Amino acid sequence: DTAVSQTPKYLVTQMGNDKSIKCEQNLGHDTMYWYKQDSKKFLKIMFSYNNKELIINETVPNRFSPKSPDKAHLNLHINSLELGDSAVYFCASSLSPSGGTDTQYFGPGTRLTVL
Amino acid sequence: QKEVEQNSGPLSVPEGAIASLNCTYSDRGSQSFFWYRQYSGKSPELIMSIYSNGDKEDGRFTAQLNKASQYVSLLIRDSQPSDSATYLCAVTHNDYKLSFGAGTTVTVRA
Repeated sequence: DTAVSQTPKYLVTQMGNDKSIKCEQNLGHDTMYWYKQDSKKFLKIMFSYNNKELIINETVPNRFSPKSPDKAHLNLHINSLELGDSAVYFCASSLSPSGGTDTQYFGPGTRLTVL
Repeated sequence: QKEVEQNSGPLSVPEGAIASLNCTYSDRGSQSFFWYRQYSGKSPELIMSIYSNGDKEDGRFTAQLNKASQYVSLLIRDSQPSDSATYLCAVTHNDYKLSFGAGTTVTVRA
């Protein structure tokens, strides 16, 4: 059984389009995250939700909007896609925020390519 | 200003040797320290966590933490070709945020 799943795995789209990435975890965790990993492999936190409440909102363009319909799901919607948005987006979850002491489990990633 | 710094590598070691990876962090209030392994095209996977000064061993892996020097390292003993991956150092602060270094790519030569 997949613990943290993301769809789609690959996403190729044109500049200016709007797209969504979905994430689901079946671990019973309260906390979920979105990370962006750029071409230099640098992994950076974007957002975190704890039990559907936003707790981390890094300096991310407001074209990016996370939504957590319930604590097992965290989706990422991106408006007006730009070339610089091309990256791998990872969803992750942990039992609780707890200052980060709980292990974060990562999904398989969504490779977004903006043409 | 980077919060977590690692040697980008690549670090090439022969099979059976010790691979030594280093990481420094800027926030003296950092509380928890992690090493993740990421194979090419895959997601990061936690291999070690350490919270207090000293050494922590798990199989062939040893993490070392020195909070006074703001330094954390990972030793991989008896390196195997399957250890070839990028190793990410990650540090948490008091605001739930996990900050990653850029990673060190390790290649183990058979």
